[in-house]
Amino acid sequence: DIVMTQGALPNPVPSGESVSITCRSSKSLLYSDGKTYLNWYLQRPGQSPQLLIYWMSTRASGVSDRFSGSGSGTDFTLKISGVEAEDVGVYYCQQGLEFPYTFGAGTKLELK
Amino acid sequence: QVQLQQSGAELVKPGTSVKLSCKASGYTFTSNHMNWIKQTTGQGLEWIGIINPGSGGTSYNVKFKGKATLTVDKSSSTAFMQLSSLTPEDSAVYYCASLGFDYWGQGVMVTVSS
Repeated sequence: DIVMTQGALPNPVPSGESVSITCRSSKSLLYSDGKTYLNWYLQRPGQSPQLLIYWMSTRASGVSDRFSGSGSGTDFTLKISGVEAEDVGVYYCQQGLEFPYTFGAGTKLELK
Repeated sequence: QVQLQQSGAELVKPGTSVKLSCKASGYTFTSNHMNWIKQTTGQGLEWIGIINPGSGGTSYNVKFKGKATLTVDKSSSTAFMQLSSLTPEDSAVYYCASLGFDYWGQGVMVTVSS
């Protein structure tokens, strides 16, 4: 199985600051179609996960442009520009390249 | 609008089975795969498997083979997951998700306890 490893944040984060969340995969997620099959989610307290980014850098419908995704085949970053109260929760990366799909352990964002 | 409405919380005894449902609306049910995901505090998010509602074809995470069985009822646009031989380790919140994980159900808590 592909292992997804996420980094931590220096919580709590001051409101308005920009933060980056890292994720690493044990195998390249770049497929022959040129797409990188890496998703990012935010799970707010008490809610279901919400898709933020797919194909490593494409924002899902309705997602604020404060969220951006970047990376290579195995190292990925989710940047939040100007953290707001509604961004609090746990962020997950997930690989969609091959079965079984696997998730990172999550990165918690707390606001100061 | 797209909705995935899951059935209610379950309290079940060890050794028994439970069947969870996920009713889809607002999109073409048979044209989009349905995923099932398990969430626990200790193990985080685990992908259980996927079903093609159009063909009934399935793929399972090896870890859940023999534990989970995915089916659909096309007439009611509902996906089901049966969990068998339940143990306390199966206590979790279970989600369905479709349209490339863009839409998730609200989750259902399953508690296995005698």
